[in-house]
Amino acid sequence: SQQGEEDPQALSIQEGENATMNCSYKTSINNLQWYRQNSGRGLVHLILIRSNEREKHSGRLRVTLDTSKKSSSLLITASRAADTASYFCATDASGGSEKLVFGKGMKLTVNP
Amino acid sequence: ETGVTQSPTHLIKTRGQQVTLRCSSQSGHNTVSWYQQALGQGPQFIFQYYREEENGRGNFPPRFSGLQFPNYSSELNVNALELDDSALYLCASNYVGFGTDTQYFGPGTRLTVL
Repeated sequence: SQQGEEDPQALSIQEGENATMNCSYKTSINNLQWYRQNSGRGLVHLILIRSNEREKHSGRLRVTLDTSKKSSSLLITASRAADTASYFCATDASGGSEKLVFGKGMKLTVNP
Repeated sequence: ETGVTQSPTHLIKTRGQQVTLRCSSQSGHNTVSWYQQALGQGPQFIFQYYREEENGRGNFPPRFSGLQFPNYSSELNVNALELDDSALYLCASNYVGFGTDTQYFGPGTRLTVL
């Protein structure tokens, strides 16, 4: 079953704009990760935020986590055409399990 | 590049056949997980192997089985293929023990069952 739900399911923006995508999940987590997938190929890890962290930055990426609302957001600033991809949030459930539970993903299109 | 490779890239099988997919993990990674990703969906956890033993399984029938070898390679075997098994199969490896939770994914094997 899918744990996370990304919102919106699709987003189309112009190069240079910021893109924000949201993720909601259902159960307690150890951490939440964001992945990118190009054209149905492998997943590329973007950023991990632990349950005791509220915000994290990596280059043009900013992730927030609100465990009280069971939600996270990923902000990509100054988007580029190369950012066009599907983005997934994945949670690592608390309790020691290493399995990742993914949302259905969000398709981001950045127009040149 | 994640250092995780998978073979083959694409595979076409017919219903009822058996298939073996292969994954080569990053050197030193003691854990490998397999995921199934249907078109338009997020990956679904199949199972995980830790030091060559199954360490958790998702909601998949026993005809999905796996092996992990000491040389950082692993296999996913699917028997009695069904049409719904058509999907992208992803393996991911990581090292459990130093508190790092990032899983590194391979490029996937796209399986088509006719």
